[in-house]
Amino acid sequence: NAGVTQTPKFQVLKTGQSMTLQCAQDMNHEYMSWYRQDPGMGLRLIHYSVGAGITDQGEVPNGYNVSRSTTEDFPLRLLSAAPSQTSVYFCASRGTGITEAFFGQGTRLTVV
Amino acid sequence: AQSVTQLGSHVSVSEGALVLLRCNYSSSVPPYLFWYVQYPNQGLQLLLKYTTGATLVKGINGFEAEFKKSETSFHLTKPSAHMSDAAEYFCAVSDDGNQFYFGTGTSLTVIP
Repeated sequence: NAGVTQTPKFQVLKTGQSMTLQCAQDMNHEYMSWYRQDPGMGLRLIHYSVGAGITDQGEVPNGYNVSRSTTEDFPLRLLSAAPSQTSVYFCASRGTGITEAFFGQGTRLTVV
Repeated sequence: AQSVTQLGSHVSVSEGALVLLRCNYSSSVPPYLFWYVQYPNQGLQLLLKYTTGATLVKGINGFEAEFKKSETSFHLTKPSAHMSDAAEYFCAVSDDGNQFYFGTGTSLTVIP
């Protein structure tokens, strides 16, 4: 049981490049979400999904796209990376009800 | 939208001393409340949560928190700090269990 797996762990991008951060969970959780963590700002919700085929915007969605074609996977796409997107990104999943969220190990992204 | 305030971005305590990490939230209705811990280069791990019922909640590693509606607070305490408690601590709230709002975090240092 791997929990929530994020890849890659580290990434350096040039401004304007695109990439996809991968997130997979093996707990059959309906709810998945993406956060970014910046110094002094805590975690901010980017996008979330309440089930396959259903996504919604969080607090800071601009510059990011998501899709949820399967229960297990919830990739985060940066279409044109900007230095302001330099951050640590966390994916989380949880079951139904008010349950704890399980977090991945994070992806440290630097945009130069 | 909810907001969460964690007073004190850095807290230092001596080993064996009381740990008190403060969290206040803004909400007109009782929210769901959580404390998470983050060790270096890792994801977040749930310490404890309040959903309904008893306002004093016990979590892992000897931590507990008390929901005080009149003060809109959910402070985290531990009677005796251990070196292994050194980490970043995040308070989080949710109205609906879908969108979670995190505080900016408190870094706890334990002095031997």
